[in-house]
Amino acid sequence: EDKVVQSPLSLVVHEGDTVTLNCSYEVTNFRSLLWYKQEKKAPTFLFMLTSSGIEKKSGRLSSILDKKELFSILNITATQTGDSAIYLCAVFTGNTGKLIFGQGTTLQVKP
Amino acid sequence: EADIYQTPRYLVIGTGKKITLECSQTMGHDKMYWYQQDPGMELHLIHYSYGVNSTEKGDLSSESTVSRIRTEHFPLTLESARPSHTSQYLCASSEWTGNNSPLHFGNGTRLTVT
Repeated sequence: EDKVVQSPLSLVVHEGDTVTLNCSYEVTNFRSLLWYKQEKKAPTFLFMLTSSGIEKKSGRLSSILDKKELFSILNITATQTGDSAIYLCAVFTGNTGKLIFGQGTTLQVKP
Repeated sequence: EADIYQTPRYLVIGTGKKITLECSQTMGHDKMYWYQQDPGMELHLIHYSYGVNSTEKGDLSSESTVSRIRTEHFPLTLESARPSHTSQYLCASSEWTGNNSPLHFGNGTRLTVT
């Protein structure tokens, strides 16, 4: 059975801290891995990763994929209270292109 | 910025009522999806569509049904709502480009069945 597992499930940090969120997966026919940020409403797209070892970066957020070890990390440096959200990892799998989500990591950044 | 709209945003109804959750997108995307998300839990795919007149069931069994008569519109219907249907329902769409296009999500409908 395809599965995506994220850790930790929740995390509380203070502004300015650096955090690393983890995502591991076991799927048939891996296509790509995606990270989303979900605040009160819709998940918003952050990154899509298809190749190992190539870092994707957007401001203070960065992510990298290891297809050999089947995991990805999302780093957030100099965290701000606006980074507080649920961070979702998802994997495109199989010929039908289904997107399978992990449970999410709830990040709370305290002032 | 993605243009995908869901209505209503919140809905509280009694058991046994028929409801339709609306989802529309203005991007001309071929693929559309419905996900169900309980608080603190992952998103589960309940329905998806490759295009007009195409509908498929997702990984999570659901008593809901969907239709895709127009590209931009993908409504979800519950014929007889029950308390177990209480959840958040998220609609999404993506381009059809080899399965790897990111999904764009609507703001969701939070359904409560009393």
